[in-house]
Amino acid sequence: NAGVTQTPKFQVLKTGQSMTLQCAQDMNHEYMSWYRQDPGMGLRLIHYSVGAGITDQGEVPNGYNVSRSTTEDFPLRLLSAAPSQTSVYFCASSYAGITDTQYFGPGTRLTVL
Amino acid sequence: GESVGLHLPTLSVQEGDNSIINCAYSNSASDYFIWYKQESGKGPQFIIDIRSNMDKRQGQRVTVLLNKTVKHLSLQIAATQPGDSAVYFCAENWDTGNQFYFGTGTSLTVIP
Repeated sequence: NAGVTQTPKFQVLKTGQSMTLQCAQDMNHEYMSWYRQDPGMGLRLIHYSVGAGITDQGEVPNGYNVSRSTTEDFPLRLLSAAPSQTSVYFCASSYAGITDTQYFGPGTRLTVL
Repeated sequence: GESVGLHLPTLSVQEGDNSIINCAYSNSASDYFIWYKQESGKGPQFIIDIRSNMDKRQGQRVTVLLNKTVKHLSLQIAATQPGDSAVYFCAENWDTGNQFYFGTGTSLTVIP
């Protein structure tokens, strides 16, 4: 199993550009989530999904969209990037829900100029 | 929302010594806690968890202690090794909600 994979590993955007961060898992996990990690702060939940076709907002959802059309994939979209979205983004998955062990991807480091 | 905090942002220990990393939480309704380890350039990795109906749980070389009276969580690492150097986060969940709240992390450095 590859586990949780994220692409790209690094990305630089200009303010106003859009992009999609990709996340995929091959463990047949129902629960998937996106976090952002900023210096001096803990991970903060952006969006999560408890299964295909179901998504919900986390602690800091503004400026981000998600969809879950398959069990395996959970892309995160930035519609109009802002410098405040400069961060490291982590995708995670777990078998059934939040209280199951979460497996994190390697992260995407995003810089918005 | 409630915040999860750590007492010490950095900790240095000698190889072979025991390490203790502390975490304070403010939400008395929190009923599930996890410790994560994050090595440089990698995603967080699950270490150990504990539910609020327990006050101690042991894993391989790690022990988590929960003191609900003072809302304090600690992670003890026995015989600390260089490979234990990382940032350690605690995270809390309450009311079986679908999200965890993470602390800011403690950076552990093991001195050979």
